[in-house]
Amino acid sequence: NAGVMQNPRHLVRRRGQEARLRCSPVKGHSHVYWYRQLPEEGLKFMVYLQKENIIDESGMPKERFSAEFPKEGPSILRIQQVVRGDSAAYFCASRRDPGGYTFGSGTRLTVV
Amino acid sequence: TQLLEQSPQFLSIQEGENLTVYCNSSSVFSSLQWYRQEPGEGPVLLVTVVTGGEVKKLKRLTFQFGDARKDSSLHITAAQPGDTGLYLCAGAPFSSGSARQLTFGSGTQLTVLP
Repeated sequence: NAGVMQNPRHLVRRRGQEARLRCSPVKGHSHVYWYRQLPEEGLKFMVYLQKENIIDESGMPKERFSAEFPKEGPSILRIQQVVRGDSAAYFCASRRDPGGYTFGSGTRLTVV
Repeated sequence: TQLLEQSPQFLSIQEGENLTVYCNSSSVFSSLQWYRQEPGEGPVLLVTVVTGGEVKKLKRLTFQFGDARKDSSLHITAAQPGDTGLYLCAGAPFSSGSARQLTFGSGTQLTVLP
């Protein structure tokens, strides 16, 4: 499978817990993007990373949210002390420069 | 903030009918993409348009990029139930530079009834 792999597909967390979402980009793609989607809405940009660097995090809340893309391993989106409003589908996309985007199937986070 | 407005938001038609979905903005985009998303899945790229006035055809789908690169349309001829899905337009603003993060429209939910 040459696509973007996201896991888990579904994640349930209680309020106050931490959520860790993983994204393995397409092999050879060095650009990773995280987007968030609420029901029946478009995707909202959160953060753009290259290996070991955050390039643009202007769409990510300053509190509780963080992202990384280490030299080895997947990109991680971490949400600390989750609240009900964090419930959404989180999509990762990768691309090569130049090139188009490939999206993963997403992680559906439900905060109970 | 650059916004993309899609219309209509919801569209339900009978198999065999034609339809057009619109994507409009007051901002200029370096390129514009159309995606289709099915429930429980991520968006899948249908087409990228780059040149103002460009028209691209993908079987029964015709995509057009406005001359001023601010708007786009998707026309489907003889729609089929398999065309059902959420259609999203997304633009790469000039201001994003090399980052090229996408600005997405809110989507058009298309249902084609057999």
